[in-house]
Order: sequence, then structure tokens, then C-alpha cells
Amino acid sequence: EVQLVESGGGLVKPGGSLRLSCAASGFAFSDFGMHWVRQAPGKGPEWVSSISSSSGDKDYVDSVRGRFSISRDNSKNSLFLQMSSLRVEDTATYYCGRGVIGVIRGIVYSWGQGTLVTVSS
Amino acid sequence: EIVLTQSPGTLSLSPGERATLSCRASQSISNNFIAWYRQIPGQAPRLLIHAASKRASGTPDRFSGSGSGTDFTLTILRLEPQDSAVYFCQQYGSSAPYTFGQGTKLEIK
Repeated sequence: EVQLVESGGGLVKPGGSLRLSCAASGFAFSDFGMHWVRQAPGKGPEWVSSISSSSGDKDYVDSVRGRFSISRDNSKNSLFLQMSSLRVEDTATYYCGRGVIGVIRGIVYSWGQGTLVTVSS
Repeated sequence: EIVLTQSPGTLSLSPGERATLSCRASQSISNNFIAWYRQIPGQAPRLLIHAASKRASGTPDRFSGSGSGTDFTLTILRLEPQDSAVYFCQQYGSSAPYTFGQGTKLEIK
């Protein structure tokens, strides 16, 4: 069974930084593209970032480009999102998601339970 | 950026009825790469349909997707109380950003 468990969320002040982690199990993590998707309270999901299986390809939504950085450690079945220069509008539940084999394609086949990031002074 | 508009915003139906949810794109979706997700309050979204009409693993055959180009539909037959949720469409056609619709809330009364 695919399991994705996010951690690292919390309360941070505007301008601060946070690093989210996602521990994956139940599938060949190193074979799959992975995603971060966020959802602000009462809103629809928003795709944030994706990374290919080999880390050779990464992409970001424009609103986080230059502030967020996605990475992965295939030896530890882990996905990360380093977030800096956080803004109030980054407040959301952040979900880790499994994509397709190899490349980045935006569909999310499996989702974690999410971790809440609150940016507030 | 491709904008997806879902309608109606809220749909109230009775058990046993059929639900028809619409998702309209601001431009044609490559390869009809539209996905549908269901989200129960307090839970993560769950994939129901991909490539417009292919059921994901574990999706009951009461759920079907159709459409092409810019107009897509999710149909749910024989509604059950547990179908109450918010349903989102997403396009993952050509390149980022992979946008979602704003959702349709389905209420089974």
C-alpha cells in the first residue's frame, strides 16, 4: 500500500523559512515523479512543485519560484520542500503526492494526509 | 495558464439519482489529460478518473468521465450518501502549471 507521510509544518512569521518532508513507502519511490500540492482553507488545491525521478527535472508555480526548492533523497525514500521568504498567502495544508514513472506529469495518483503551514505574525 | 471552471458550485440530489458535474477549460487540453478527484472534508483528495475517462484503481464503475477538448464531465450513477464530497477537476496536459478547478460540492440529501 502506498503511504506518504508529510511532516515539518507549523507556525512561522512572514519572511521566515520552513522545510517540509515526505516519507514514502509501499512503492518504488526512486522510479516515480513526485509533487507538492497545497490547499488554502476553503479553497481548491493548487499545484506547487514537481520533481522527476532522477531529480533532473523540477518545476514550480510562478508564485513560489525563487522562494521554494524541491528535492528528494532516493536512498531514503524522501521528498522535501524548502520554503523561504514565506508570505501570509502561503498559508495552506501542503500535500505530498506521487506522480507517474520517471517524468513530471501533473497528475497526483496518491496523496499524503498533509501538513499545515501557517504564516502569520 | 489554463483556467478550469466547474459547474454547478453546489449540487443537491437524493440517493439513487444521477449526478452530472462539468469542468470547462479556457483552452483545449492536450491528450484530454483531465483528472477528477474527490475530497471528503478533513481528508486529502483522492484520484477517481484520469485521462478524462479512465477509472483509477478502486474507483467504482458508478463513476464515469467523458469529454474532450475543453469540455469534460464526471457522471455518478445511483448516488449513495457516502458520495457527499467536493469534486475537483485538474488538467495535466502539456506543461505546468497543472491547474485545478474550484470544485463542485455534492450534497446527498
